[in-house]
Amino acid sequence: DQQVKQNSPSLSVQEGRISILNCDYTNSMFDYFLWYKKYPAEGPTFLISISSIKDKNEDGRFTVFLNKSAKHLSLHIVPSQPGDSAVYFCAASLVTGKLIFGQGTELSVKP
Amino acid sequence: DAGVTQSPTHLIKTRGQQVTLRCSPKSGHDTVSWYQQALGQEPQFIFQYYEEEERQRGNFPDRFSGHQFPNYSSELNVNALLLGDSALYLCASSLGLAGGASETQYFGPGTRLLVL
Repeated sequence: DQQVKQNSPSLSVQEGRISILNCDYTNSMFDYFLWYKKYPAEGPTFLISISSIKDKNEDGRFTVFLNKSAKHLSLHIVPSQPGDSAVYFCAASLVTGKLIFGQGTELSVKP
Repeated sequence: DAGVTQSPTHLIKTRGQQVTLRCSPKSGHDTVSWYQQALGQEPQFIFQYYEEEERQRGNFPDRFSGHQFPNYSSELNVNALLLGDSALYLCASSLGLAGGASETQYFGPGTRLLVL
């Protein structure tokens, strides 16, 4: 049973435009959500997080939106840059700290 | 400020052997979690250590065991290796908070294990 889902395996965006990556979850007990960026054979790099008590968190070009009623979160990257090309994982955490990951979305930003 | 470090970077073993992977957490962190990432898959939680005890465990057999030392570093041991254990093993560290509140986990570069 996949508790965290990223339904788009890939996304292609033009440089300078907005990238929107989506994530859905099923467990309403999740209290913390994170986005990680990952290159092959490397560890995930933390990008941005959001607590379940908030609906938006912004850090530079990255903004995460949380819609608890829809059990949906999204990551907006504006403007997108070629260096943003990577696999993006959303992850959800319970109070105990165990992270449950989505399947990942491969973002390609074309010059 | 050193981030999470893992050793070795790569490892090749044969079926039936045993392996030990090591992790040093980010400075100031006291909680270590281990994940397995098979090729093309998302990371899967193995277990988490806090105050030298296993605090939570994922759906992995007893062949997977771990340890946390007083300096917060950690080891992951896998016995009786199977071909299916080939994966990238990731260590993540975080700051355990009183009451179990969630905190951001920072990942190391991983150890690539190949079982032949």
